[in-house]
Amino acid sequence: GDSVTQMEGPVTLSEEAFLTINCTYTATGYPSLFWYVQYPGEGLQLLLKATKADDKGSNKGFEATYRKETTSFHLEKGSVQVSDSAVYFCALTATGANSKLTFGKGITLSVRP
Amino acid sequence: SQTIHQWPATLVQPVGSPLSLECTVEGTSNPNLYWYRQAAGRGLQLLFYSVGIGQISSEVPQNLSASRPQDRQFILSSKKLLLSDSGFYLCAWSEGGRIEAFFGQGTRLTVV
Repeated sequence: GDSVTQMEGPVTLSEEAFLTINCTYTATGYPSLFWYVQYPGEGLQLLLKATKADDKGSNKGFEATYRKETTSFHLEKGSVQVSDSAVYFCALTATGANSKLTFGKGITLSVRP
Repeated sequence: SQTIHQWPATLVQPVGSPLSLECTVEGTSNPNLYWYRQAAGRGLQLLFYSVGIGQISSEVPQNLSASRPQDRQFILSSKKLLLSDSGFYLCAWSEGGRIEAFFGQGTRLTVV
């Protein structure tokens, strides 16, 4: 079945540091890929997405590129802020209107001032 | 615009008591609906999903059940809660033809 693997956490960075959060996936066909963010005490929000190979999703300074050859969708940000502290989830959904989201375990990011 | 409501926000229940969590979606019709559980340190686990009224798929055998009595209403229930049912429960919806899902604010359930 489909699966998503995220790097182990938590991750602690200083403000303005560079961020990379690794995500790899296993799926048949051509899934769509997502990053969701969960701020403390809240539900999940879609951060960015990519629907086909080589697509780059971007939002709020975050970027991720759909790499089919390495089955990866790593999240990057050039300069993190304290307000980026949250839990980040990588997810995929297979093609088809009734497909369900499959999530990775999530990783907690803490950014120090 | 579409909105999703999930309640209650927090709940403390004794072991063996029943559970009912409700989720409703506004501004769309025939959404796909989902219940996820987020246990501490274990990520998001899909519990149930529904593609239509009365159509429920269960992803993991457990002490919980789900029902969809109306098109935009999704209910998570249990007859007798266990300690292991504690966690953060999230309802979500997606629309056919759109791939992303939208989440409610979640319910923090503590079984004592």
